[in-house]
Amino acid sequence: DARVTQTPRHKVTEMGQEVTMRCQPILGHNTVFWYRQTMMQGLELLAYFRNRAPLDDSGMPKDRFSAEMPDATLATLKIQPSEPRDSAVYFCASGLVPAGPGRWVLEQFFGPGTRLTVL
Amino acid sequence: DQQVKQNSPSLSVQEGRISILNCDYTNSMFDYFLWYKKYPAEGPTFLISISSIKDKNEDGRFTVFLNKSAKHLSLHIVPSQPGDSAVYFCAASGGSNYKLTFGKGTLLTVNP
Repeated sequence: DARVTQTPRHKVTEMGQEVTMRCQPILGHNTVFWYRQTMMQGLELLAYFRNRAPLDDSGMPKDRFSAEMPDATLATLKIQPSEPRDSAVYFCASGLVPAGPGRWVLEQFFGPGTRLTVL
Repeated sequence: DQQVKQNSPSLSVQEGRISILNCDYTNSMFDYFLWYKKYPAEGPTFLISISSIKDKNEDGRFTVFLNKSAKHLSLHIVPSQPGDSAVYFCAASGGSNYKLTFGKGTLLTVNP
């Protein structure tokens, strides 16, 4: 059964270390999203890609965060250097943009998340 | 500035009774609203949605009501079951087919 996978599921690291989170979207989906969930902010959109091209990363702290899609089966989110305030659950989601114009809302399928703790 | 607000962090309901989860929004551009459900250690899953051209959408035990003038929507679960215990996120879309703005979520606990 098709689902979004994320690795690692848990990551504990020390402040200043690089963190890389990986996501495998559902095969055939052409849009990928990265979200961060915290108690204070809820679910925040960090970045999203369509056909591997970044469409919007305005929600992402630019100085330390970067998101890429090396190929259609892999999306990565990197934090360098990490800070304690980055501790959160990071979700990846994917969806399939339908062909043609018009108003529609993309159904997003979420992965199980990566729980990051920065000490 | 939170554009989608879920003012109740938690809600506790007895099994068999109605659960009502509320959501308010501030952005007049929003024209599509969704509810997601999230269990611990899992990602959110889509539950039900409503377009702004409607004021009600029903799917089994779940009904979403939209009051555009009040910029308010609610999710009704009838009857509530213990398996409904989860965090429920309200989300809104407007102006973009891709982007969803989420609320902070409401933890629903249904007691047997």
